[in-house]
Amino acid sequence: AQSVTQLGSHVSVSEGALVLLRCNYSSSVPPYLFWYVQYPNQGLQLLLKYTSAATLVKGINGFEAEFKKSETSFHLTKPSAHMSDAAEYFCAVSEFTSGTYKYIFGTGTRLKVLA
Amino acid sequence: EAGVTQSPTHLIKTRGQQATLRCSPISGHTSVYWYQQALGLGLQFLLWYDEGEERNRGNFPPRFSGRQFPNYSSELNVNALELEDSALYLCATDRTGGDDSNQPQHFGDGTRLSIL
Repeated sequence: AQSVTQLGSHVSVSEGALVLLRCNYSSSVPPYLFWYVQYPNQGLQLLLKYTSAATLVKGINGFEAEFKKSETSFHLTKPSAHMSDAAEYFCAVSEFTSGTYKYIFGTGTRLKVLA
Repeated sequence: EAGVTQSPTHLIKTRGQQATLRCSPISGHTSVYWYQQALGLGLQFLLWYDEGEERNRGNFPPRFSGRQFPNYSSELNVNALELEDSALYLCATDRTGGDDSNQPQHFGDGTRLSIL
């Protein structure tokens, strides 16, 4: 069964420090993977997506993620955190199986950036 | 290009009432997805409409229903409202016709439904 697990519902980093948000997935077929960001009182905004091309995917706002099939992971990173990065981040997987199409979202990780 | 628009922004109802939420997709998008984002529960998939048909349904009771119109906009209806229905309801759209899993979803800003 398809699933997404985000480790750590809350992550705190200091401004300028490395951001690492973890995502592991399970999928019966090669997946497509996405990271979204949600700012307060807003919908989700796409940060980046993996669609079986390069395993290192670069997104907006300096974020990137690496698809590691052997680890079934798609962790999100950013070298240097900014205060404006404080938000909730969602990992998602989609696959087309059995004639239907499913997106599954993780439960989210709230990133706090400390001054 | 206009994004996904949802209305109303906020909706306050009492238990037992009915709520209607609306979503207009990005031009060219034919698929509409509805999610419930309750406090502490992440995004729960509700419904998927494509080309006017309901394609998939999440684990929600039948009092959650919806439809998609010929212009691809969509309504989510919630009948017999309960306190636990209080949540942010997000609509997402994409171009897929069901065979393009790598399409990201584009989200509206949501309707916050509060049940008193």
